[in-house]
Amino acid sequence: DAKTTQPPSMDCAEGRAANLPCNHSTISGNEYVYWYRQIHSQGPQYIIHGLKNNETNEMASLIITEDRKSSTLILPHATLRDTAVYYCIVRFPGTYKYIFGTGTRLKVLA
Amino acid sequence: DTGVSQNPRHKITKRGQNVTFRCDPISEHNRLYWYRQTLGQGPEFLTYFQNEAQLEKSRLLSDRFSAERPKGSFSTLEIQRTEQGDSAMYLCASSHRERSYEQYFGPGTRLTVT
Repeated sequence: DAKTTQPPSMDCAEGRAANLPCNHSTISGNEYVYWYRQIHSQGPQYIIHGLKNNETNEMASLIITEDRKSSTLILPHATLRDTAVYYCIVRFPGTYKYIFGTGTRLKVLA
Repeated sequence: DTGVSQNPRHKITKRGQNVTFRCDPISEHNRLYWYRQTLGQGPEFLTYFQNEAQLEKSRLLSDRFSAERPKGSFSTLEIQRTEQGDSAMYLCASSHRERSYEQYFGPGTRLTVT
């Protein structure tokens, strides 16, 4: 059964790197891992996705373990505006059904 | 590009009534999703459209729930005979065929069933 597991909450000092882990041990071989975040009272926002190689864009970096059973989202220099719930997402294999899980509530502290 | 819009933003209804929500996706986005989100939980997939075809439907979408996207543009989600357990935020998202990994979410419709 496709699912992800994330710590419920994390704190990070402003200006420091925020490292958000995710376990997706049941992911199938050709399914991507997606990361979105949801700032209070808004819809989720796409951050990054990856299959097996590490990925980087203007928002974040994504490190995926070689066995693909877990990944880490890295916000290199967290700001107060990065305070949000971060979701690690997978799809049911062969479907368009995205599984969000309960996410990690990241609080960036001044 | 005005983003995904949803109407109404808030809906309060009495148990047993029918409600209909509308989603206007970003133009040129052929993929459209509906999700439901309750307090403290992540969004829960309800259904997926590619153009006007409904290609995926969650088992959560009981007989009381129906969704349409008649011309491959806007979509409606109807809930018949609402129950208190239907109270939630209903989110719509759209994505372009060439960037299907990036869903753009609307602000949601908050439903309260009294």
